[in-house]
Amino acid sequence: GMPVEQNPPALSLYEGADSGLRCNFSTTMKSVQWFQQNHRGRLITLFYLAQGTKENGRLKSTFNSKERYSTLHIKDAQLEDSGTYFCAAEAIGGYKVVFGSGTRLLVSP
Amino acid sequence: EAAVTQSPRNKVAVTGGKVTLSCNQTNNHNNMYWYRQDTGHGLRLIHYSYGAGSTEKGDIPDGYKASRPSQENFSLILELATPSQTSVYFCASGVLGTSAETLYFGSGTRLTVL
Repeated sequence: GMPVEQNPPALSLYEGADSGLRCNFSTTMKSVQWFQQNHRGRLITLFYLAQGTKENGRLKSTFNSKERYSTLHIKDAQLEDSGTYFCAAEAIGGYKVVFGSGTRLLVSP
Repeated sequence: EAAVTQSPRNKVAVTGGKVTLSCNQTNNHNNMYWYRQDTGHGLRLIHYSYGAGSTEKGDIPDGYKASRPSQENFSLILELATPSQTSVYFCASGVLGTSAETLYFGSGTRLTVL
């Protein structure tokens, strides 16, 4: 199967709502990153985690290497949060970084 | 601020033609990557490099070559372009393996093969 499975593939939220995205890994990963791709196609780094949890404003991400998953939680969703979110994981012992297939998020008024 | 510059931004090529996509980074990152992005597949790794003179196959290397002549430059080469290679291509650089690990992406190159 795919080394990185990302869910859901699409998500619709109203402004102010909270929700979460998840990536499951088929094998133990060394680290994970989360990116947002904006409407212009630009990829913006949100988080890098080798373990544990990080927060930045309304965003929070957790990485559990042992349980092989990572989550991105969005709190109080805003219109500008719309875009596609990707997780990307680095395999242990190598330089490869593999992406999930993305979650298309649409935040509506 | 890390800077990764891709050129060209848009490219139209004919089937069987040679295409070279260029990527330049000014941050002395060891690792560089080429991805393609297609609907339903996310970003898939084509080739990567961990330093000048090195190139490694990613997950979908067939039909592509890569060249890393210097720390700053990493090119993706399509010797015989095919319509199936129509896609958006992203270059990235990073310093994986350190406590400051992250990837920095270029703005992408939209390639259309007719």
